[in-house]
Amino acid sequence: KAGVTQTPRYLIKTRGQQVTLSCSPISGHRSVSWYQQTPGQGLQFLFEYFSETQRNKGNFPGRFSGRQFSNSRSEMNVSTLELGDSALYLCASRQTSGGTGITGYTFGSGTRLTVV
Amino acid sequence: AQSVAQPEDQVNVAEGNPLTVKCTYSVSGNPYLFWYVQYPNRGLQFLLKYITGDNLVKGSYGFEAEFNKSQTSFHLKKPSALVSDSALYFCAVRDAMDSSYKLIFGSGTRLLVRP
Repeated sequence: KAGVTQTPRYLIKTRGQQVTLSCSPISGHRSVSWYQQTPGQGLQFLFEYFSETQRNKGNFPGRFSGRQFSNSRSEMNVSTLELGDSALYLCASRQTSGGTGITGYTFGSGTRLTVV
Repeated sequence: AQSVAQPEDQVNVAEGNPLTVKCTYSVSGNPYLFWYVQYPNRGLQFLLKYITGDNLVKGSYGFEAEFNKSQTSFHLKKPSALVSDSALYFCAVRDAMDSSYKLIFGSGTRLLVRP
């Protein structure tokens, strides 16, 4: 069973540009969450998508957005990049089961974004 | 508000010795607790979780964790450490009363196992 796939693995962008990251969840997983990992702030929740709808959003500016497609694949977009957006962006998929959401979250290897 | 504390930035242990990585949490309702491990330039790998039931949870690679409700703790343990256990460990919590499914992570503890 394939794991969570994130592309690309590494990305270098210039300040002011925009970027799109992709996440393909485990087959059958309908929930996808995104997290930002930085040395200073640690792991922070960005947003979660389920059945193409954003269910929850963390405390990030509107420059951070995402979407989910009918095949559960998800993309996140960051516009007007800032130096502080440099981070490892992790995607996690979850097998929804009875709506309790207490199953484990499987993480991808992440996309390392560097803003210069 | 939900929170997780990992009081030690780094834990050093000799190979073959037992190890403990500490985690305490704060939630309004019942906690769902998780431990993840991260190797360099990799994502998070799931080790174990506590949802309900037995306070001692066994997970991958010989790790286990003990849920202590009165002390609001969920410490990760292993009876005999391996050099290959050296990595970054994260404790995470989800509040059962929270309708979102987001995980709140601790700041991480670097485990260094010396030969």
